[in-house]
Amino acid sequence: QKEVEQDPGPLSVPEGAIVSLNCTYSNSAFQYFMWYRQYSRKGPELLMYTYSSGNKEDGRFTAQVDKSSKYISLFIRDSQPSDSATYLCAMRDNYGQNFVFGPGTRLSVLP
Amino acid sequence: DAGVTQSPTHLIKTRGQQVTLRCSPKSGHDTVSWYQQALGQGPQFIFQYYEEEERQRGNFPDRFSGHQFPNYSSELNVNALLLGDSALYLCASSLDLQGRSEKLFFGSGTQLSVL
Repeated sequence: QKEVEQDPGPLSVPEGAIVSLNCTYSNSAFQYFMWYRQYSRKGPELLMYTYSSGNKEDGRFTAQVDKSSKYISLFIRDSQPSDSATYLCAMRDNYGQNFVFGPGTRLSVLP
Repeated sequence: DAGVTQSPTHLIKTRGQQVTLRCSPKSGHDTVSWYQQALGQGPQFIFQYYEEEERQRGNFPDRFSGHQFPNYSSELNVNALLLGDSALYLCASSLDLQGRSEKLFFGSGTQLSVL
């Protein structure tokens, strides 16, 4: 079992839909959670950053962390074709310097 | 405010050669991490540099080495290149807060092809 898992997709939705992207993880020590958006052959762009459990909202994006289930989610409201990209989750514990990334989910938002 | 810059953007090498990739961190950041991203995979941690020393290393062989300069910029060196080293190499900068790196900001990467 990989330390962080994501459904690779591709996930195709119509413009304006609500998108739900998810990651599961096995290491209960993870405390810091991030979501990145990556366009083809570009570097990942930080979207959301959360610590421990709970929800965080920023514009059209909402991040949720459920540590009891080892499950994190990113919701995108009113999705746009420009949201078409690969979405990566990343996480680390309190002591390590490296973030562990999931394999990413490819999202396509169709006009 | 300049973000993370990496050079070169693309590189083609042959097996057995050596390569050096360069990174300048975001202004105000003091920590540089290097990641390798194979096609269709998430980034894999290579190592992190802070105060000109390697602070933590991932599961990569000694062929991968690095350096951090007093101005916080960094280099990644890979010796004896293998076909499997073909990947996007990402540099991420961050600010050290009480011994920990918080948010990572990535550059656009160097696409390395080994023939």
